[in-house]
Amino acid sequence: KAGVTQTPRYLIKTRGQQVTLSCSPISGHRSVSWYQQTPGQGLQFLFEYFSETQRNKGNFPGRFSGRQFSNSRSEMNVSTLELGDSALYLCASSWRGGSNTGELFFGEGSRLTVL
Amino acid sequence: AQKVTQAQTEISVVEKEDVTLDCVYETRDTTYYLFWYKQPPSGELVFLIRRNSFDEQNEISGRYSWNFQKSTSSFNFTITASQVVDSAVYFCALSGDGYNKLIFGAGTRLAVHP
Repeated sequence: KAGVTQTPRYLIKTRGQQVTLSCSPISGHRSVSWYQQTPGQGLQFLFEYFSETQRNKGNFPGRFSGRQFSNSRSEMNVSTLELGDSALYLCASSWRGGSNTGELFFGEGSRLTVL
Repeated sequence: AQKVTQAQTEISVVEKEDVTLDCVYETRDTTYYLFWYKQPPSGELVFLIRRNSFDEQNEISGRYSWNFQKSTSSFNFTITASQVVDSAVYFCALSGDGYNKLIFGAGTRLAVHP
């Protein structure tokens, strides 16, 4: 059974540009959540989607957005990139859709460097 | 507010030593979930365990064991007879305000030397 797949794995952008990251969850999983990992702030929750609906959002500016498609694949977008957006962006999928938190299975992440 | 504290930033042990990673959490929820994840150099977070707030039984899985104590709001993780392959960053996490949102601790970097 394939795991969570994130693309691209590495990318370099310059300030002011925008970026789109993609995540394909484990087959059958309908929940996809995104996390940002930086040395200074650690792992922080960005948002979660279930059945194409955003159910929860972390404390990030509106430059960070996402969406989920009918096949459960998800994308996140960061517009007007800032140096501080340099991070490892991790996607996680779960089969649980209710209010009890399930096991999250993570991908290897997309490492974004903003110059 | 919910919070997870992993006071140990780095731990260094020699192979075959036992090591305990500490995790203390804060939450006002009566129902919550606690997790441990391992992050090897590849970056992927590997799920180790999920425990709900109503289940205080300790758990053992091979060389890994977990001690959950609600009275002290702790969920500690012990690796018995550590191996070099155990070297990684370990994160403790708490379910947030519902659904699949996790609040992570800062992580403990474990280095196991031959």
